[in-house]
Amino acid sequence: DTGVSQDPRHKITKRGQNVTFRCDPISEHNRLYWYRQTLGQGPEFLTYFQNEAQLEKSRLLSDRFSAERPKGSFSTLEIQRTEQGDSAMYLCASSLATPYEQYFGPGTRLTVT
Amino acid sequence: KNEVEQSPQNLTAQEGEFITINCSYSVGISALHWLQQHPGGGIVSLFMLSSGKKKHGRLIATINIQEKHSSLHITASHPRDSAVYICAVRLRTSGSRLTFGEGTQLTVNP
Repeated sequence: DTGVSQDPRHKITKRGQNVTFRCDPISEHNRLYWYRQTLGQGPEFLTYFQNEAQLEKSRLLSDRFSAERPKGSFSTLEIQRTEQGDSAMYLCASSLATPYEQYFGPGTRLTVT
Repeated sequence: KNEVEQSPQNLTAQEGEFITINCSYSVGISALHWLQQHPGGGIVSLFMLSSGKKKHGRLIATINIQEKHSSLHITASHPRDSAVYICAVRLRTSGSRLTFGEGTQLTVNP
């Protein structure tokens, strides 16, 4: 198993553009999580899926953010009309339903100029 | 006030020293995780615990549920231990998502 992968690893975009990130979880993991981490801070929860169902969304996930996991495997996180405040590391993690231990991907670092 | 507080924020040690990083939380939890993050972002899970103590190599994690406190110890520290150590909890009320502390930046000098 190759672990959790994320693509791209780095993204630089201009303010107002849309961006989409992809996460491929560990294959047998049915839970997938998105977190955001700004410099010097711990990660913050954004949303999570069990299979294809989005079970919880943080209030941090504004209308400009949307996440999908259409077939219960990979997931995408889209940010529309990016703002400078969206600059952060976007982390994906996956787990089994129990024992819940989460395995993290390398992250996608977004810079909005 | 954050639900998860870590101390210290920064820690510098000499190679070989015994290191302790502390984590306190203010709400009921079902599990606590210790994570390691190296420069570049990758996060590795070190421990998941809900009671008692776990040991893996030179790392030891303890938790006191009554006091809502956990510690991560590193024995015989080495420069390769330099990283950010993050405490995260799974709240009883929040399903399986994690709530994170701000992390402790550890630097071990040779």
